[in-house]
Amino acid sequence: AQRVTQPEKLLSVFKGAPVELKCNYSYSGSPELFWYVQYSRQRLQLLLRHISRESIKGFTADLNKGETSFHLKKPFAQEEDSAMYYCALRRNNNNDMRFGAGTRLTVKP
Amino acid sequence: DVKVTQSSRYLVKRTGEKVFLECVQDMDHENMFWYRQDPGLGLRLIYFSYDVKMKEKGDIPEGYSVSREKKERFSLILESASTNQTSMYLCASSAQGQGRSPLHFGNGTRLTVT
Repeated sequence: AQRVTQPEKLLSVFKGAPVELKCNYSYSGSPELFWYVQYSRQRLQLLLRHISRESIKGFTADLNKGETSFHLKKPFAQEEDSAMYYCALRRNNNNDMRFGAGTRLTVKP
Repeated sequence: DVKVTQSSRYLVKRTGEKVFLECVQDMDHENMFWYRQDPGLGLRLIYFSYDVKMKEKGDIPEGYSVSREKKERFSLILESASTNQTSMYLCASSAQGQGRSPLHFGNGTRLTVT
């Protein structure tokens, strides 16, 4: 079975500092990895997915199959990045998605 | 834009009551999901459905059942609500096939069982 681990429940950085939210997974096949974000009082929404290989709101994430990781990075954090972030995995032959426990990011002024 | 609508934002029910949580999506998605969201535990999959009248158990199906009579509607049923089912419930949908989409979520239903 697949498993997603986000080791940090809380992460706090100052505005302008780099930020990295960690995500590790366990799955023997080829996974699809996603980052979802939930801003205060808003619904959970997709931030980015590894197959798109794009940068959204300055965030990037690279799938490292050797380390089974999909860490989310941003070089200069902004206060509006404060939110709950979830890493998620979908198996390549299935439709259901599993999520990590989430990391609450706080960007201080 | 995909819209996933959950019928109630807040619900308060008593222990032992039968509870229905309703979810409707407007994008003709084949897949629909129910998760519960708890602090420190993230999102845990309760049930999902990949077609009308089809369902599969997720990781925590105990105490829940689901119904999918129409493609656009997916209901979560708590046969006899208990206090440990107090939580935020999220519905989601996605498309199948080669163009498999990410999940699109509703706003959530915060259920309190007293």
